[in-house]
Amino acid sequence: GQQLNQSPQSMFIQEGEDVSMNCTSSSIFNTWLWYKQEPGEGPVLLIALYKAGELTSNGRLTAQFGITRKDSFLNISASIPSDVGIYFCAGTAPRGGSEKLVFGKGTKLTVNP
Amino acid sequence: EADIYQTPRYLVIGTGKKITLECSQTMGHDKMYWYQQDPGMELHLIHYSYGVNSTEKGDLSSESTVSRIRTEHFPLTLESARPSHTSQYLCASKSDLSTDTQYFGPGTRLTVL
Repeated sequence: GQQLNQSPQSMFIQEGEDVSMNCTSSSIFNTWLWYKQEPGEGPVLLIALYKAGELTSNGRLTAQFGITRKDSFLNISASIPSDVGIYFCAGTAPRGGSEKLVFGKGTKLTVNP
Repeated sequence: EADIYQTPRYLVIGTGKKITLECSQTMGHDKMYWYQQDPGMELHLIHYSYGVNSTEKGDLSSESTVSRIRTEHFPLTLESARPSHTSQYLCASKSDLSTDTQYFGPGTRLTVL
C-alpha cells in the first residue's frame, strides 16, 4: 500500500529556532494534512493542503504541497515550548480513494527553553 | 472543527473481559474511523464507516468489532480483551461534503493486564 516517509524522526531545538520537517512518497497524493499530537491526546489538525504547489500558513506554521504531489513540508518559525509534540503528516492517495488517510511515522519535537 | 468525544479516556481491565469504547460526534458527519496507535508510533486504521449500517475493516487487522446504528455514534467492542490489545484507540470523523480532513477525538488509552 501507499507509504509516507517522514523525516526527521525527532528534533531537539532551542526556543526561538525555526523547524522544518517533511514527508515524501513514491506515489502521488491528492491531499496532504499536517497534525500535531500531544501526549495522551488525539491528533489536532494544523494545516490542510489540497492542490499541488499550494503554500498555506497558520500563524507561525507554513506548509506546502509539493509540485510533484509526492511530498510536503511543514515549517515552524520562532519555536516556543508549547510547540512540543509529535507532528504527523497524512495524505490521501488516488488508489486508496478519498476516504482513507495514510499517516507518516511522525516527527517528535522537543523545544528547550 | 468537529466536536468528537471518546469515553472512557483511560481503561485498565483484566484479560478476558468484554469492553466497549464509545465514540460520538455532534457534527452530523457521515464518515467515522477507528485507529489504533502504540505510544509514539503512527496511526493504523482498523475500522471505518461511511454511514448508518455501513462498517468496513481497515488496513490493520483487529479482533475488535464496530457498529453504526446512529450517525453520531460509532462504538468499538472487544469481546475478550488480551494484553496484546493494549494500545491507544483514536476515533475520527469527516463530513461527506468536505475534503479529506478528518477530525480526531482525544483517544482511549486501553491497558489489558
